[in-house]
Amino acid sequence: DIQLTQSPSSLYASVGDRVTITCRSSQRIGSFLHWYQQQPGKAPKLLIYGASNLQGGVPSRFSGSGSGTDFTLTISSLQPEDFATYYCQQSYSTPPYSFGQGTKLQIK
Amino acid sequence: EVQLVESGGGLIQPGGSLRLSCAASGFTFTRYNMIWVRQAPGKGLEWISYISSSSSTIYYAESVEGRCTISRDNAKNSLYLQMDSLRAGDTAVYYCARVTGVGWFDPWGQGTLVTVSS
Repeated sequence: DIQLTQSPSSLYASVGDRVTITCRSSQRIGSFLHWYQQQPGKAPKLLIYGASNLQGGVPSRFSGSGSGTDFTLTISSLQPEDFATYYCQQSYSTPPYSFGQGTKLQIK
Repeated sequence: EVQLVESGGGLIQPGGSLRLSCAASGFTFTRYNMIWVRQAPGKGLEWISYISSSSSTIYYAESVEGRCTISRDNAKNSLYLQMDSLRAGDTAVYYCARVTGVGWFDPWGQGTLVTVSS
């Protein structure tokens, strides 16, 4: 099974900061890597699919990059509504559809 | 509007059974594969089951294999998860989601909470 490891597990930042979250896969997965945002008490929401494609309606301050085993999610200028938990997910080799353990982004 | 709405969660004793439902609207349900994902309190996301659009292909995570059955009724635009022999470790919010493209999940339902406790 493919394992996804996110770093860091938690992150403190301020409004306006540029933030990068990393997702590393245990095997090469091409661009079959997707990112989700989860607000407390809410369902996850798709942000980025195929490693770098912005889902419709998602602000352009979010971007994704990477291929193979190393991927990043970048928020160019943090807004108050961006403080949430972020998950990566792979769909290269399924089942199972694996998720990273999550990165909790908190206000500094 | 594309929407998924789960129901059927609740408090259940260990060893009991529960059937979750997911009602789909705003899209052609018959064209999409569907999945269930759960999230234990304070924990991350765990994929637990997948069903293809025609129900011809079904997968389960090892953690629920043999205890859960996924199904769908395309005439009713509905997805189901039958859960048996429930354990405390099954306590979680259960989400249904549509599988899109090459395997991302969008949208997700709002989730339904299953609590297994005596």
